[in-house]
Amino acid sequence: NAGVMQNPRHLVRRRGQEARLRCSPMKGHSHVYWYRQLPEEGLKFMVYLQKENIIDESGMPKERFSAEFPKEGPSILRIQQVVRGDSAAYFCASSPRPARTGDYTFGSGTRLTVV
Amino acid sequence: GESVGLHLPTLSVQEGDNSIINCAYSNSASDYFIWYKQESGKGPQFIIDIRSNMDKRQGQRVTVLLNKTVKHLSLQIAATQPGDSAVYFCAETFTGGSEKLVFGKGTKLTVNP
Repeated sequence: NAGVMQNPRHLVRRRGQEARLRCSPMKGHSHVYWYRQLPEEGLKFMVYLQKENIIDESGMPKERFSAEFPKEGPSILRIQQVVRGDSAAYFCASSPRPARTGDYTFGSGTRLTVV
Repeated sequence: GESVGLHLPTLSVQEGDNSIINCAYSNSASDYFIWYKQESGKGPQFIIDIRSNMDKRQGQRVTVLLNKTVKHLSLQIAATQPGDSAVYFCAETFTGGSEKLVFGKGTKLTVNP
C-alpha cells in the first residue's frame, strides 16, 4: 500500500497561470479531504469529496478554486489565475469512510510557489 | 519543558527530558481531538487521539490530557528523543458532521542532544 500519493511535490507557476494538484487516495479509500497550509501555520480545511460528489466545500475560496474526485482517477484541486497569495503547501488526506481520527492518512503535500 | 501553544510557538528541551505541549481549542461542540506530528517537508502524522468522554489517554511515550471546562488539550512526551523534533499540531472535530479537522497553529519542538 503506497499510502496517499500527491503530485507534483513542488509546483512553480507564474501569476495568472493555472495550477493542478493531484491526489491519489489509499487503495480502498473513497473519501478525500484537501487542506491548505501557509508558512508557520496550521492546516486549513478546504473541501471534502467522495467519489463524484462534493460533500463539504465550506473552506474553498468562492472564486478560482475547484475540486473534483472522478469515478476513475485521482482527486484534482484546480486553481485558476493563480496569485502570490496562493503560495502554500496543499495536503490531501484520505479515509475509507467519514474520518474517525486514525483513519485519516495525509499525503506529503504539494508545495505551490507563485512567482 | 512546557509550551503554551499560540503564545510560545517554540519549545526547546534536552534529550531525555519530558515535554509538554499545550493547545487551546475553540469549539465547545468538538468531541474528538487529535495530536499530529509534522516533520519538515512531510504531511501530518497521527500521534494520539482522545474523545470528549475521556480526560486522559496514554500511548507509547505519549499522553494526551483533555480539560473540557477550559477547552484545553495537552500532549506530554516522555523521555524526549532527537527524533521527536518536529512541529506538533492539535486538531479538533465534531463527529456528527463532515468531520473536517480544525488545526491549531502548532508548536515547534527542538530536542537538543
